[in-house]
Amino acid sequence: EVQLLQSGGGLVQPGGSLRLSCAASRFTFSSYAMSWVRQAPGKGLEWVSAISGSGGSTYYADSVKGRFSISRDNSKSTLYLQMNSLRPEDTAVYYCAKDLGYCSGGSCSIWLDPWGQGTPVTVSS
Amino acid sequence: QSVLTQPPSASGTPGQRVTISCSGSSSNIGSHTVNWYQQLPGTAPKLLIYSHNQRPSGVPDRFSGSKSGTSASLAISGLQSEDEADYYCAAWDDSLGGVFGGGTKLTVL
Repeated sequence: EVQLLQSGGGLVQPGGSLRLSCAASRFTFSSYAMSWVRQAPGKGLEWVSAISGSGGSTYYADSVKGRFSISRDNSKSTLYLQMNSLRPEDTAVYYCAKDLGYCSGGSCSIWLDPWGQGTPVTVSS
Repeated sequence: QSVLTQPPSASGTPGQRVTISCSGSSSNIGSHTVNWYQQLPGTAPKLLIYSHNQRPSGVPDRFSGSKSGTSASLAISGLQSEDEADYYCAAWDDSLGGVFGGGTKLTVL
């Protein structure tokens, strides 16, 4: 069974940085695009970022563009989200997810399955 | 306010058929595939329908999806108590990237 194990969340002050990790297993990691999606407390889902299987194409929501950076190490089957200049409104549970479809030609399929267990990020002084 | 518009709530009795709508525009639903997610309380979301009407393995055929123009719908037939959850539609938007609907809370009466 495909597994996505997340780590790296926690409490950080406004303006601080945090790096999330998502370790994948039991599938050919480099063959699949990956995404990060977040959910603020009591709110709905918000897509954050996506990356192609090779890592050559990346995509960001306007709300995080210029502050967050998605990357992957296919040799370690691990996805990352580097979050800088964090704001209180970035407080959320962050999920990584495997994309069953594609990220290419300027779009992604957003066929996300499965999802990681989620990791909470709290931005507060 | 979400780019994809869903009703905030829906309800039905066991055995009933319920539909949840998702309205978008030509830059998202009109030109990209629509996907649906189920989120049970306290758990990570789960892919329910992808590419408008395809079910991943393991998803019961009680769940079905459709798309017409810039709108989509999720239908749940033979409603069961375990279907009580939040449901989200999602699609790619040419300007915004990935977009989700605001979510619909389904209550089984």
